[in-house]
Amino acid sequence: DAGVTQTPRHEVAEKGQTIILKCEPVSGHNDLFWYRQTKIQGLELLSYFRSKSLMEDGGAFKDRFKAEMLNSSFSTLKIQPTEPKDSAVYLCASSFGGPNTEVFFGKGTRLTVV
Amino acid sequence: AQSVTQPDARVTVSEGASLQLRCKYSYSGTPYLFWYVQYPRQGLQLLLKYYSGDPVVQGVNGFEAEFIKSNSSFHLRKASVHWSDSAVYFCAVSASNNNAPRFGAGTKLSVKP
Repeated sequence: DAGVTQTPRHEVAEKGQTIILKCEPVSGHNDLFWYRQTKIQGLELLSYFRSKSLMEDGGAFKDRFKAEMLNSSFSTLKIQPTEPKDSAVYLCASSFGGPNTEVFFGKGTRLTVV
Repeated sequence: AQSVTQPDARVTVSEGASLQLRCKYSYSGTPYLFWYVQYPRQGLQLLLKYYSGDPVVQGVNGFEAEFIKSNSSFHLRKASVHWSDSAVYFCAVSASNNNAPRFGAGTKLSVKP
């Protein structure tokens, strides 16, 4: 079975650019998550969807970060405009749903903003 | 929302030694607790999880964790570590059915040969 697929694996953007990260969750999963991973903060929640409906978004990330689920098998994370402090690894994850279920993670997209 | 604290950013132990990685959570209700591991260039993978029952839960590769409600803790343990256990370990907590899991900052484990 295919796991969570994220593209691209690496992205370099100039300050002020718009970038779009892509994610394909595990087939059949109802919940989809976007997290940002940094060494200092660890995993910070950006967005959480259940059956394509937005359930939570990370308050600190509302301004320039927008995640969407166009269908149950595809999600995007748009950062507009990018800033150097956005340099991090962006993780997409999915699960069947429910607080006791395992979350499956993609390998992440490493974003560098120069 | 719920939150997790992992107080140790880095832990170094010798191969064959015992290990404890600390995790404390903050949530007033009944938590669902998890440990995940991230090997280099890999996605996070589930090690073990706890919701109810025996407070000591067993996971993969000889790992176990103990839920201590009075201390709001869910520390990870292993009796004898191997060099291949070197990785970053994340503690996570889920709360209600409408909240995403929250993760700690992670603990980087280095095992010396």
